[in-house]
Amino acid sequence: SQTIHQWPATLVQPVGSPLSLECTVEGTSNPNLYWYRQAAGRGLQLLFYSVGIGQISSEVPQNLSASRPQDRQFILSSKKLLLSDSGFYLCAWSVTGGSGYTFGSGTRLTVV
Amino acid sequence: DQQVKQNSPSLSVQEGRISILNCDYTNSMFDYFLWYKKYPAEGPTFLISISSIKDKNEDGRFTVFLNKSAKHLSLHIVPSQPGDSAVYFCAASGPTNSGYALNFGKGTSLLVTP
Repeated sequence: SQTIHQWPATLVQPVGSPLSLECTVEGTSNPNLYWYRQAAGRGLQLLFYSVGIGQISSEVPQNLSASRPQDRQFILSSKKLLLSDSGFYLCAWSVTGGSGYTFGSGTRLTVV
Repeated sequence: DQQVKQNSPSLSVQEGRISILNCDYTNSMFDYFLWYKKYPAEGPTFLISISSIKDKNEDGRFTVFLNKSAKHLSLHIVPSQPGDSAVYFCAASGPTNSGYALNFGKGTSLLVTP
């Protein structure tokens, strides 16, 4: 069966520090991968999506970047965190075509 | 640009009554719609979906209605139970510029009181 792992679950980082959140999927190949963020009062916002290794599309200009070094690995990064980067970050995967999304358990990031 | 809108941030319903959560969308390319339920500090969990070729889909206590001409969908929960208290997100997907990424509304916080 397919599973998705996302870590860490919570993170407190100072302003200006780097960030690396990792997401891996098991039990499927060539999934579509996504990073979403839920910020206070803003719902779930798509940040990045990837349809294959090395293929990253950014939806919102921001302080973050994403990479897909392996088929089932998706990494969200920042070189220097801002206070506004605080939020709940969710990784998700789907089969090609869009239906059947599965979300990870999320990472609560607090930038202080 | 919010393409999926949930205009009610919160809703309170008595146990046993019907909960109706509404959602509007603007992009006519959306052809697949989903509802997710989310508890604090957890990822969203899939609840029910509907394809644009249908106007109704039912799964137990949950029914989703789609009105394509009005670009409107709604989720009905009957009867509502205290365990249904959560944030409900409406989401839409289709062959848009973002691939088939889900576009979410801001969510409606449902509180079911005993």
